[in-house]
Amino acid sequence: NAGVTQTPKFQVLKTGQSMTLQCAQDMNHEYMSWYRQDPGMGLRLIHYSVGAGITDQGEVPNGYNVSRSTTEDFPLRLLSAAPSQTSVYFCASSGTGLGYTFGSGTRLTVV
Amino acid sequence: KNQVEQSPQSLIILEGKNCTLQCNYTVSPFSNLRWYKQDTGRGPVSLTIMTFSENTKSNGRYTATLDADTKQSSLHITASQLSDSASYICVVIGSGTYKYIFGTGTRLKVLA
Repeated sequence: NAGVTQTPKFQVLKTGQSMTLQCAQDMNHEYMSWYRQDPGMGLRLIHYSVGAGITDQGEVPNGYNVSRSTTEDFPLRLLSAAPSQTSVYFCASSGTGLGYTFGSGTRLTVV
Repeated sequence: KNQVEQSPQSLIILEGKNCTLQCNYTVSPFSNLRWYKQDTGRGPVSLTIMTFSENTKSNGRYTATLDADTKQSSLHITASQLSDSASYICVVIGSGTYKYIFGTGTRLKVLA
């Protein structure tokens, strides 16, 4: 099925651990982005990419790295997890003139 | 500062009733405004997309309105169903940018 696939759906990390949240889309969309969603706040942009090999910072990039080696994949890396990174993370993609398609989210807890 | 504010924060209605959700924004220049529905534990799904020149757009029982002069939008849900229970998020996209400005959402609960 066409869409945005995120893995894992749930993850618990200890403070200081690292991990990668995976995101893949099969719609040949140029634009991909990562958001975090916290209670009482709108989705906030972490990083985005307008095409393979091109990434840029969003509103809340600290503590996160991204890369875009292919059009399909846009992984998000947490280098040293902190409790403040406990959140629900959404990956989204869009083509030119199209709206976002969101993944189903990854619920991350850092203890 | 570009902002999107939604009201009410939460709303409880009985099945079959209508309701209206509000969205005020300060994003300028403005490209388009979107309403998303987010079920618990899922990613947001687009309901409507409205450009600067559009006043009303419908998607089944959902009707969105836009007043670009007052920078206000509303989402009207007709004959609510239990499956309408979700968060509804207003999103504004500025001109010449991929970046979306998200509201905090209205959490709607429809009771039988």
